[in-house]
Amino acid sequence: DQQVKQNSPSLSVQEGRISILNCDYTNSMFDYFLWYKKYPAEGPTFLISISSIKDKNEDGRFTVFLNKSAKHLSLHIVPSQPGDSAVYFCAASQYSGNTPLVFGKGTRLSVIA
Amino acid sequence: DVKVTQSSRYLVKRTGEKVFLECVQDMDHENMFWYRQDPGLGLRLIYFSYDVKMKEKGDIPEGYSVSREKKERFSLILESASTNQTSMYLCASSLSGIGYGYTFGSGTRLTVV
Repeated sequence: DQQVKQNSPSLSVQEGRISILNCDYTNSMFDYFLWYKKYPAEGPTFLISISSIKDKNEDGRFTVFLNKSAKHLSLHIVPSQPGDSAVYFCAASQYSGNTPLVFGKGTRLSVIA
Repeated sequence: DVKVTQSSRYLVKRTGEKVFLECVQDMDHENMFWYRQDPGLGLRLIYFSYDVKMKEKGDIPEGYSVSREKKERFSLILESASTNQTSMYLCASSLSGIGYGYTFGSGTRLTVV
């Protein structure tokens, strides 16, 4: 059973508009969340993270929102650019203990010029 | 610039061959991981290691083994390659402790024919 779910396999957005990628989790022990971005034929690269003590974290055009009661997080990209076209993976872990990250299946974002 | 280096970008092997995928990191990270990425399935954890000579099974260890004789090197071994092991293999490393994300290598695209 999937502990981290990205229910939208793909998303298309016009350049300059907002992209919203969603992620749900089931394990209430998760308390640290990350987003990774992956281009074809490259490894994933870290984008942004958030711990459960916060409900929002911003880094430039990227903002992650966490709703602990709903076990839901989202990544907002504003404004979207063609170079943002990639697969985005949501990942979760437990802050205490050295357990591996659990990844979602990814969402392919296409930003159309 | 810190790096995780995977020895091959592309590999083609025959069914039944023993295959070695090598991964080296230069960041003195304690933890190392092997994932495979398949369309629609996201990133799935094969094996991980928290220290030299230590290994733990991930979600899909069947058909694979690993070796970690030195801190910087983590090898994935396909004992007898099969066509269903055709995939993108990703190595990652991280520091121990809370809140550390992973640094990924560029991946090895393995095709078993």
